[in-house]
Amino acid sequence: DAKTTQPTSMDCAEGRAANLPCNHSTISGNEYVYWYRQIHSQGPQYIIHGLKNNETNEMASLIITEDRKSSTLILPHATLRDTAVYYCIVTTSGTYKYIFGTGTRLKVLA
Amino acid sequence: SAVISQKPSRDICQRGTSLTIQCQVDSQVTMMFWYRQQPGQSLTLIATANQGSEATYESGFVIDKFPISRPNLTFSTLTVSNMSPEDSSIYLCSVESEGAGGELFFGEGSRLTVL
Repeated sequence: DAKTTQPTSMDCAEGRAANLPCNHSTISGNEYVYWYRQIHSQGPQYIIHGLKNNETNEMASLIITEDRKSSTLILPHATLRDTAVYYCIVTTSGTYKYIFGTGTRLKVLA
Repeated sequence: SAVISQKPSRDICQRGTSLTIQCQVDSQVTMMFWYRQQPGQSLTLIATANQGSEATYESGFVIDKFPISRPNLTFSTLTVSNMSPEDSSIYLCSVESEGAGGELFFGEGSRLTVL
């Protein structure tokens, strides 16, 4: 599985968009980008995933660059409840083996 | 989506003892996964458990230390054997969605403290 690189931590003002970057320069053609988050003391929660097209759901948007070497998770209007560790994972759909990196600790500030 | 229940949610154990963690899913799933999250760290996959076959362990994890059972499509157990303080962690059960997305669903975890 491709290795991912994320910033260790980020702050975001409440109500503003939170943009969380992820580098995955060694991604291969059949690997998807998945995003999860882990709120303190809870199990990780699935957010969104994509292959090469941009994706949007009720939680977030995922922007994948044309060369697929990086992506950005966008939380359009961050709230205090979005404070969590966000993990970017690259894996082949159906591989069933997720390798979690250290993630980005997002702190939403009032 | 899948709802996953883990028991116990937390426990304090003595060195040298063993503890079995149970994972119950509200729907039938093919594959179940066990992760460990040590204090302040990210998640590490311990093993993959398929019903009716031996679990597949990741590097650094062995069956004698972490025996796993998978008796049916909705249930699995992970035993942490001969515990030491280094085994103090959160142990998480997860399953893959049966839909096309392939995303994982996680239980709330079992927080073990070994004294």
